[in-house]
Amino acid sequence: QQQVKQSPQSLIVQKGGIPIINCAYENTAFDYFPWYQQFPGKGPALLIAIRPDVSEKKEGRFTISFNKSAKQFSLHIMDSQPGDSATYFCAARSARQLTFGSGTQLTVLP
Amino acid sequence: NAGVMQNPRHLVRRRGQEARLRCSPMKGHSHVYWYRQLPEEGLKFMVYLQKENIIDESGMPKERFSAEFPKEGPSILRIQQVVRGDSAAYFCASSPSKSSTNEKLFFGSGTQLSVL
Repeated sequence: QQQVKQSPQSLIVQKGGIPIINCAYENTAFDYFPWYQQFPGKGPALLIAIRPDVSEKKEGRFTISFNKSAKQFSLHIMDSQPGDSATYFCAARSARQLTFGSGTQLTVLP
Repeated sequence: NAGVMQNPRHLVRRRGQEARLRCSPMKGHSHVYWYRQLPEEGLKFMVYLQKENIIDESGMPKERFSAEFPKEGPSILRIQQVVRGDSAAYFCASSPSKSSTNEKLFFGSGTQLSVL
């Protein structure tokens, strides 16, 4: 029940495309849903986050869509750039832990 | 304002040796978390500590692994009698004392442990 399932495992898009990464969860006690971006050799960095009382949050080119009834949330990257090539992790918070998805390796081709 | 500092960046150990991983949280942060990342997998929670206290160690293996966060100095993740399966990247994260628990986690660059 603590799992967060993330898909796809890898994603390749052309520059300017809109990659979408999806996550699903079971535990209704999760109350905060961040996305992290990780470049090779670096630690994950917080990108954007949403709470379950909001259906959408946008920060720059990054948008989270949240569907509470379906227990799903997704990350959209508008006008993707080669510099967005990284691994993206969704996560969900319960009382003391952040549970991470398995990651999506995104490649944006020039 | 230095970020979360982890050292060493790379650590090579032979089976049966001990590994000590260090983490200095960001200035003003008193919450420290340790995560383990295996190749092509997400980060797995190991332990959550505050100064001199282990708050949640539900992700820690029962044997050979221990963690501490003393009043002075860095947090230490200690792995005794390492085995090949311990090879992984170990990440430390810290969060501000006054934020909601683990809402803003700042990660270090990790320690890559290789067990020969």
